[in-house]
Amino acid sequence: ILNVEQSPQSLHVQEGDSTNFTCSFPSSNFYALHWYRWETAKSPEALFVMTLNGDEKKKGRISATLNTKEGYSYLYIKGSQPEDSATYLCALATSGTYKYIFGTGTRLKVLA
Amino acid sequence: GAGVSQSPRYKVAKRGQDVALRCDPISGHVSLFWYQQALGQGPEFLTYFQNEAQLDKSGLPSDRFFAERPEGSVSTLKIQRTQQEDSAVYLCASSSFGPSGTEAFFGQGTRLTVV
Repeated sequence: ILNVEQSPQSLHVQEGDSTNFTCSFPSSNFYALHWYRWETAKSPEALFVMTLNGDEKKKGRISATLNTKEGYSYLYIKGSQPEDSATYLCALATSGTYKYIFGTGTRLKVLA
Repeated sequence: GAGVSQSPRYKVAKRGQDVALRCDPISGHVSLFWYQQALGQGPEFLTYFQNEAQLDKSGLPSDRFFAERPEGSVSTLKIQRTQQEDSAVYLCASSSFGPSGTEAFFGQGTRLTVV
């Protein structure tokens, strides 16, 4: 059974702080790692699709890195803002399958 | 519409009642997924369609759950004789290709509460 783990489960930071969280996954049969941001009462929004070991992607103040050999990805938020408050989900895709295996998410709350 | 649309957004059902949840995927998207998210958990896979074919229903928790996509576009997830443990957010997602390296677009979900 594939297990995708995210840590921490929840996080409170002050506005302006930088933060990061982790997604850990089994490295065998890796195909892609997706990051989603899910605000309450909205659709999960795709942030990044990462496929290559060593990938680094950036969108505004948010960036992500990928290490497929050791099975982890980091998501970084620089200068957190209250509007960054959301649940951040990672989802693993493995070779030969169409399923996304989701982690339980990191719930981020940015305090003004 | 431009995105994945799910209806209803909220549903309260009495235990034992049947419910039907609808998903309108992005037009032309081949792949359609249903996920269930219980409180405090990540989304769990329920079933997958490629066009009208249901290729995987291994995540459906019991035979009370049934999904269809008869014309390869709109999909319906039906839950018969609902139980309290069925209370969850049901997410639908679609993507343009089968391989899961492609980004999936999610609907807002249907929050089902069984009382």
